[in-house]
Formats: sequence, C-alpha cells, structure tokens
Amino acid sequence: ELKVEQNPLFLSMQEGKNYTIYCNYSTTSDRLYWYRQDPGKSLESLFVLLSNGAVKQEGRLMASLDTKARLSTLHITAAVHDLSATYFCAVDTGGSEKLVFGKGTKLTVNP
Amino acid sequence: SQTIHQWPATLVQPVGSPLSLECTVEGTSNPNLYWYRQAAGRGLQLLFYSVGIGQISSEVPQNLSASRPQDRQFILSSKKLLLSDSGFYLCAWGSRHEQFFGPGTRLTVL
Repeated sequence: ELKVEQNPLFLSMQEGKNYTIYCNYSTTSDRLYWYRQDPGKSLESLFVLLSNGAVKQEGRLMASLDTKARLSTLHITAAVHDLSATYFCAVDTGGSEKLVFGKGTKLTVNP
Repeated sequence: SQTIHQWPATLVQPVGSPLSLECTVEGTSNPNLYWYRQAAGRGLQLLFYSVGIGQISSEVPQNLSASRPQDRQFILSSKKLLLSDSGFYLCAWGSRHEQFFGPGTRLTVL
C-alpha cells in the first residue's frame, strides 16, 4: 500500500526566509504532484513532476523529484505572506491515475 | 478549456437524512472522475473513482455511494447520513498527467 508522508505538518516562518517541505513515499512511482489549498477553498495545481530529476519553478516555489530516494521537495525562497496556505503532495499509485495524498503542510508566513 | 462544477457549495443536513452531491465537467470527453473527502484539518481521502459511464470503483467501505449516469456527471449519494460524514467533498477530473479539482461542497451533519 502506497504511503505518502509530508514534513513538517506545520511551518511558521518569517517573510524573506527560505525553507523546504519534504514529501516521502513508500513505493515506486514516477509521478508526483504538488497542490496548494487556501483556507476554505479547493486545491490548486502547482507542479506536476513526471520523471526522476525533474525540477520545476514558479515564482518563489521550486519543486524537485528524486524517484530513487522516493523523495520530493518543495523549496520556498524569500517567503512572502501570500504564500501562506496548506501544501499537499500526491503520488500516483502506478498508472491508475489514482492519487494518494500526504496530510499537508500548513505554512504560515509572518511579516 | 475545462471547467468543473459542484453543487451545492454548502449543505447542512440532519443525521439520518439522504444526500445527493453533483459534479459536472465541461470541455472534456470521457474523463476519469473522482470523489474525495477532506475532514476538518485533515488530508484528502479518495472515496470513489470512475473511468466511464456506469463504472464506479469504491476505495473506502462506508455508507456513501457514487453513480455516473452521464459521461461528464458524477453523483455522490447517501441514504442515511452519519455525523462522521461531515467534511469538505471535492470532485476532480483527471487527464493522463494531472487531476483538477472542483470548488467543493462543505457538508455539515448535525
């Protein structure tokens, strides 16, 4: 059974600082997704990582995938308050297009 | 472009009452469709998914059911709601490489 673990689950950081959110998964997969959820809202797709070594960047967020280590990272550079949200990683279960989600990382960026 | 609709947006129902949540997708044909539930402060749990009309796979045993009467319509139902059914219900449609989520229905069972 595929398990997806995110850490930390809660992250409070100051504006301007850098930090990384980690996503580990338990079985082989070459598709990993990052989503953002604002309070009371639905999920917004951030990144889709489809191969080992994939790296994608959008603004202050950069995601990478290491399929050998079964690890993805979401790096935040020079955080701003607008990045405050809950971030989820999700892993494809192997061609079935069913995703298993991590528990989410609630990020709070303080002025 | 593709659009996904869910209704109602908010629902308050008494324990033991029936439930029907609807999801429709525009702008795509024969999509994979999914129902997820998110309990307060928790992650997402896949409830059902469908690869075509009338084809439903259940991921978690419970008192909910799903149906797909048309290609772009997905319905989540219950005959008798439980307190534990409260949560945020999200419908999603999938392409080969991504899933896109609807706006969600917030259900409170009292």
